[in-house]
Amino acid sequence: GAGVSQSPRYKVTKRGQDVTLRCDPISSHATLYWYQQALGQGPEFLTYFNYEAQPDKSGLPSDRFSAERPEGSISTLTIQRTEQRDSAMYRCASSLEPGGQETQYFGPGTRLLVL
Amino acid sequence: KNEVEQSPQNLTAQEGEFITINCSYSVGISALHWLQQHPGGGIVSLFMLSSGKKKHGRLIATINIQEKHSSLHITASHPRDSAVYICAVFARDDKIIFGKGTRLHILP
Repeated sequence: GAGVSQSPRYKVTKRGQDVTLRCDPISSHATLYWYQQALGQGPEFLTYFNYEAQPDKSGLPSDRFSAERPEGSISTLTIQRTEQRDSAMYRCASSLEPGGQETQYFGPGTRLLVL
Repeated sequence: KNEVEQSPQNLTAQEGEFITINCSYSVGISALHWLQQHPGGGIVSLFMLSSGKKKHGRLIATINIQEKHSSLHITASHPRDSAVYICAVFARDDKIIFGKGTRLHILP
């Protein structure tokens, strides 16, 4: 596709429910990043994938958060038993090659509101 | 202490002024990115630096690896430059650390 897309764009859920967010990176991009951005704050790194490998999960806030990229393209971020503090914008970005030497292209984000 | 510090946090300037935004970091890095977040929320990558200086239009970014410092300059600033500018470092342990951003407002 022309750019990084994310779905849904907005999600409202009740506390305790599970949510799954989707990221479609630019095709052929090897690396995919997930970020969390609270209102008025800068992004915080969650995790990233090189193809289907997930070298670093250390940014995930708790074990309720998990991410997958089983075929090295589309990725999902799942939050189990959502809590109000999970309310944030969740962004993904992709880059052509692994490592920090490539431009990242950001998706529009999914705004999650947990009531 | 944050591993990536940006200054100033907020900056208001008149159209045409020369703008400097600073980023200091305390970790070893493989690269540093400057990002622009528009008022609507979209994020655009401006520069990726591992050494030296890059220029794109009215934007200039520099990095001094020894001093662990980078600057983003905007020449002849314009109201459409109003945005949040974010510094992000790719640390050598593969972690990505963001600064808290600098909110820039250019008055016409």
